[in-house]
Amino acid sequence: NAGVTQTPKFQVLKTGQSMTLQCAQDMNHNSMYWYRQDPGMGLRLIYYSASEGTTDKGEVPNGYNVSRLNKREFSLRLESAAPSQTSVYFCASSRGPDTQYFGPGTRLTVL
Amino acid sequence: QKEVEQNSGPLSVPEGAIASLNCTYSDRGSQSFFWYRQYSGKSPELIMFIYSNGDKEDGRFTAQLNKASQYVSLLIRDSQPSDSATYLCAVNPPNTGNQFYFGTGTSLTVIP
Repeated sequence: NAGVTQTPKFQVLKTGQSMTLQCAQDMNHNSMYWYRQDPGMGLRLIYYSASEGTTDKGEVPNGYNVSRLNKREFSLRLESAAPSQTSVYFCASSRGPDTQYFGPGTRLTVL
Repeated sequence: QKEVEQNSGPLSVPEGAIASLNCTYSDRGSQSFFWYRQYSGKSPELIMFIYSNGDKEDGRFTAQLNKASQYVSLLIRDSQPSDSATYLCAVNPPNTGNQFYFGTGTSLTVIP
């Protein structure tokens, strides 16, 4: 099993460009999450999906949209990237409100 | 007030010593508590979870939970250089569905 996979691993964008971060899990988990991690700020939840067909805002949702495409896949979209969105993005999944399994992360730089 | 607070460190301990990592949380009704380890440039991985008051041991790791004081800690016995990492505390507060709140992490260095 691959666990949680994310693409791309690295990305550089110019201000105003858009992109979609992809995440997939093969553990048949119900819940999926998108976090960003910035120095000194810890992991902050952007959006999560408790189950297929549902999405909810987390702590820092502004500037992002998500799609739970099916049970396996949960994508994060930046419509108009800003330098403040420079960060490391982690996708995670879990059966429920219990252990989360994290993907390898995407390092995004917005110039 | 942040949901979860940790001392950012850095915490340095000699090899073989006990490392003590601490975390406080603000929502008294929280039921689930997790400790994750994150090596530099890598993703977090679970070390332990604890749901009940008291101690929970797993090998060299012991998680301690005190709900009255809203305090959860992680003890690492016989610390090894390979334990050098950032340790993240996470809490699932009540009435938040599957939301988790993470602390900012404590950086631990084990000195050979």
